[in-house]
Amino acid sequence: QQQVKQSPQSLIVQKGGIPIINCAYENTAFDYFPWYQQFPGKGPALLIAIRPDVSEKKEGRFTISFNKSAKQFSLHIMDSQPGDSATYFCAASILSYNQGGKLIFGQGTELSVKP
Amino acid sequence: GAVVSQHPSWVICKSGTSVKIECRSLDFQATTMFWYRQFPKQSLMLMATSNEGSKATYEQGVEKDKFLINHASLTLSTLTVTSAHPEDSSFYICSARGGQANYGYTFGSGTRLTVV
Repeated sequence: QQQVKQSPQSLIVQKGGIPIINCAYENTAFDYFPWYQQFPGKGPALLIAIRPDVSEKKEGRFTISFNKSAKQFSLHIMDSQPGDSATYFCAASILSYNQGGKLIFGQGTELSVKP
Repeated sequence: GAVVSQHPSWVICKSGTSVKIECRSLDFQATTMFWYRQFPKQSLMLMATSNEGSKATYEQGVEKDKFLINHASLTLSTLTVTSAHPEDSSFYICSARGGQANYGYTFGSGTRLTVV
């Protein structure tokens, strides 16, 4: 129940395309859903995050779509650029401290944006 | 913004020795810190959660005697890999959370441990 399932494992798009990465979860107690970008040899960096009280959030070229009833959320990257080539992770947690607040990660998606 | 500094960024050690990795929150008080391990081309696997002044809570399958975690202050947590073996070679990443006003998770830049 603590798992977060992410797909696809890898994705190749042309510059300007809109890659979409999907995640699904089981634990309905999760209340924080972030997306991270990770470059080789670096720690993950927060891109955007959403709480379950909204269905969509945009920050720059990144959009999260959230479907509470389906227990799914996705990341869309608009006008993708070669510099967006990285590994993307979705994650989920229960923010209240008495629940530990640990962040559970999806399996990751390796994105390659071709020039 | 919130910054977490992790040192060293890479370390090579001999089998049987111990290695300490430090994780510092530079501009906020980290009430909770998390330690992750990441193998190449894989996801981050949570090893343990620590709250300042308390014993760490380890995930199932993580040897608490091998991976010693100390969170003695609100700005510093350390992970010590004791009696390291080649199979402990991995990328170790820390993450910190502040008080309620800052519920996000800030990650360190990671430590590449190679045991030879």
